[in-house]
Amino acid sequence: AQSVTQPDIHITVSEGASLELRCNYSYGATPYLFWYVQSPGQGLQLLLKYFSGDTLVQGIKGFEAEFKRSQSSFNLRKPSVHWSDAAEYFCAVGLTGGSYIPTFGRGTSLIVHP
Amino acid sequence: DSGVTQTPKHLITATGQRVTLRCSPRSGDLSVYWYQQSLDQGLQFLIQYYNGEERAKGNILERFSAQQFPDLHSELNLSSLELGDSALYFCASSRQGEEQFFGPGTRLTVL
Repeated sequence: AQSVTQPDIHITVSEGASLELRCNYSYGATPYLFWYVQSPGQGLQLLLKYFSGDTLVQGIKGFEAEFKRSQSSFNLRKPSVHWSDAAEYFCAVGLTGGSYIPTFGRGTSLIVHP
Repeated sequence: DSGVTQTPKHLITATGQRVTLRCSPRSGDLSVYWYQQSLDQGLQFLIQYYNGEERAKGNILERFSAQQFPDLHSELNLSSLELGDSALYFCASSRQGEEQFFGPGTRLTVL
């Protein structure tokens, strides 16, 4: 069965600093990969997705993620964090083809210091 | 705004009661998914419907049931509620299946 690991429960960064949130997955083939963001009291919003092709994916709000097959990773990055980026971030993996039900990681809570 | 709507936003009820959560998917989306989010379990997939039919089942309790109506809106029914059922319940919809759009959620509190 597929699984997703987000090893960092909390990450604290200063505003303007760079950010990298880690995500590792376990799956036999190349899955669909996603990053979602959840602001307090809100639903999940899709930041970016990887299905195939270029392994560096650009998303909304200045985020990007890189798929590394050899490391089974799909880390999320942002060069300069804004206070409004404080939220919960979820990595998700889905099967290619067939009934698509993503598996979500436990999430990483991002705290941004002014 | 994802285009997915959920009602009510908040629900407070007592143990043993039954509640119904409602979801309207984005226009044109045939698939509806239900998730439960709690602090100890994270985001758990409950059930998926596609064009009125059950497509996939996840960690859904027997006390819970769902359905999708001809107009594609969906309802999640939770019965014999327990304290542990307190959680955020999200609905998501999709068109082709790969990308899901989430609603704002219903916060259920069981007292």
